[in-house]
Amino acid sequence: EDQVTQSPEALRLQEGESSSLNCSYTVSGLRGLFWYRQDPGKGPEFLFTLYSAGEEKEKERLKATLTKKESFLHITAPKPEDSATYLCAVHISGGYNKLIFGAGTRLAVHP
Amino acid sequence: KAGVTQTPRYLIKTRGQQVTLSCSPISGHRSVSWYQQTPGQGLQFLFEYFSETQRNKGNFPGRFSGRQFSNSRSEMNVSTLELGDSALYLCASTGAEDTQYFGPGTRLTVL
Repeated sequence: EDQVTQSPEALRLQEGESSSLNCSYTVSGLRGLFWYRQDPGKGPEFLFTLYSAGEEKEKERLKATLTKKESFLHITAPKPEDSATYLCAVHISGGYNKLIFGAGTRLAVHP
Repeated sequence: KAGVTQTPRYLIKTRGQQVTLSCSPISGHRSVSWYQQTPGQGLQFLFEYFSETQRNKGNFPGRFSGRQFSNSRSEMNVSTLELGDSALYLCASTGAEDTQYFGPGTRLTVL
């Protein structure tokens, strides 16, 4: 069964304290792995897509990496405005545009 | 380009009623997917429409249905509402590189 697991469930950081979020997946055939950011009461906001092991993408303080079994979202020197829930989703082969989401990591960055 | 729009943003219904939610995708996007988000189950795929045809369906009862119009706008319908249908319903349209862009969601409360 296709499955996506994110850890930790929640993370509290001090401003400037770098860390990583993990997304591990077990799928029959990966077409792509997506990272989204979701603020309370809003829809997920697209951050990155990764397609193959070894691929990396960066945007401001965020960097996403992908291996054959997991993806990491590295947050460098976070600011309070980075506080949100970060969602990982996989797009599997043969599923048209169905995404399978992890439960998310709730990140709180304190000044 | 305007983003994905969903109407209404908030809805309160009572058990046994039915509800229709609407989604307008980003201009030029032909695929629309629907997801249900709850605190307990997270984001779960409901169904996907492409060129007015349902291409994939998630594991939800037949009370959940949808359709897509020739202008790519989509609606989803839930009949005989149950308390457990209370959720944030999200619509996403798919653009280049299979990237799904989400709308702000419709918050449905069933009393």
